[in-house]
Amino acid sequence: KQEVTQIPAALSVPEGENLVLNCSFTDSAIYNLQWFRQDPGKGLTSLLLIQSSQREQTSGRLNASLDKSSGRSTLYIAASQPGDSATYLCAVPTGNQFYFGTGTSLTVIP
Amino acid sequence: EAQVTQNPRYLITVTGKKLTVTCSQNMNHEYMSWYRQDPGLGLRQIYYSMNVEVTDKGDVPEGYKVSRKEKRNFPLILESPSPNQTSLYFCASSPRSSNQPQHFGDGTRLSIL
Repeated sequence: KQEVTQIPAALSVPEGENLVLNCSFTDSAIYNLQWFRQDPGKGLTSLLLIQSSQREQTSGRLNASLDKSSGRSTLYIAASQPGDSATYLCAVPTGNQFYFGTGTSLTVIP
Repeated sequence: EAQVTQNPRYLITVTGKKLTVTCSQNMNHEYMSWYRQDPGLGLRQIYYSMNVEVTDKGDVPEGYKVSRKEKRNFPLILESPSPNQTSLYFCASSPRSSNQPQHFGDGTRLSIL
């Protein structure tokens, strides 16, 4: 069974800092890895999907990398803003199932 | 507007009283899924459906039923709810499989007393 871990569980940074969120998974037989954002009281919003054949995927200030062989992904957020405050989750489809990490709660302090 | 709609958003009920949480998507997606989210455990998949009349268990299916009679609807049924099913539930859909970005509903907060 796929196990997905995210470190750190919580992170607090001053506005403007660059930051990295980490995600690791145990089964490397994956099709892709997805990063989501969850705001309090809301559902999940898809941020980036990085295919297993890719090493990086970028969207605006977000950059996700994937090292399938080592079972790791990172989400890099450049020039953080208070509006980036949310919980970030990574998820790994394995077979027809979907496995989520427990998330990193990010607070960006103005 | 493309969306996944869950109802109700909030429900407080009692042990043993059957309930259904509805989920509907308007994007003609084939893949639909239910998750529960609990503190410290993250999101865990309950059931998923690859298409009409095709459903499969996820990681935590005990105590739940689903059906997929139409492509757009994927209701979650709790035949005899118990307090350990108190949780935040999410429905999601994607075009064909778990390999594509999933669209999530806003969640249903369920409290079972």
